[in-house]
Amino acid sequence: GAVVSQHPSRVICKSGTSVKIECRSLDFQATTMFWYRQFPKQSLMLMATSNEGSKATYEQGVEKDKFLINHASLTLSTLTVTSAHPEDSSFYICSAREGALTGYTFGSGTRLTVV
Amino acid sequence: AQSVTQLGSHVSVSEGALVLLRCNYSSSVPPYLFWYVQYPNQGLQLLLKYTSAATLVKGINGFEAEFKKSETSFHLTKPSAHMSDAAEYFCAVSGDTGRRALTFGSGTRLQVQP
Repeated sequence: GAVVSQHPSRVICKSGTSVKIECRSLDFQATTMFWYRQFPKQSLMLMATSNEGSKATYEQGVEKDKFLINHASLTLSTLTVTSAHPEDSSFYICSAREGALTGYTFGSGTRLTVV
Repeated sequence: AQSVTQLGSHVSVSEGALVLLRCNYSSSVPPYLFWYVQYPNQGLQLLLKYTSAATLVKGINGFEAEFKKSETSFHLTKPSAHMSDAAEYFCAVSGDTGRRALTFGSGTRLQVQP
């Protein structure tokens, strides 16, 4: 089945630094990628939707200059948390979809801790 | 607009007992509905999905769900719980025949007692 590889699984960074999270679709072309954020014991909240070769569409309240999303190829999307602060600590999960009517495949998530 | 409500943030059952996790949806268009399971510090694994075909959907690990339009429900069931079923379960909806991002419910933590 479809597989999405997400790296790193865990990262600890200092406040003020930037962190990049990668999601790769291994056996299909991901025309659309979704990025979610999940706080402890809470549900997943959609941050942004990106289509290959286009600018990402951010959800209301999500700072696009802080959470930079790049979807330059059909198999790779990246989320960069810029100038991270402790409140950015969270679990970030990507999801990829090959086409409009195909299923959604999730990465294994990245636990970001900003100290 | 679309939304999902999961009734019961925590459900506890005995091993071998029936599992019932409730999900009600709201959608302005015919919905696609999903159930996912999440183990600690992991991503989401698809259990099953409804995409306007059969209303009774069978998934992996013995789970199934029934789409009831009149009740706007998509409850998840399993006849006999196993210890390995203990996890967080999320119901999700995608409008516009699956073209949009998923909207998730708040999740239900299933505990299985020996």
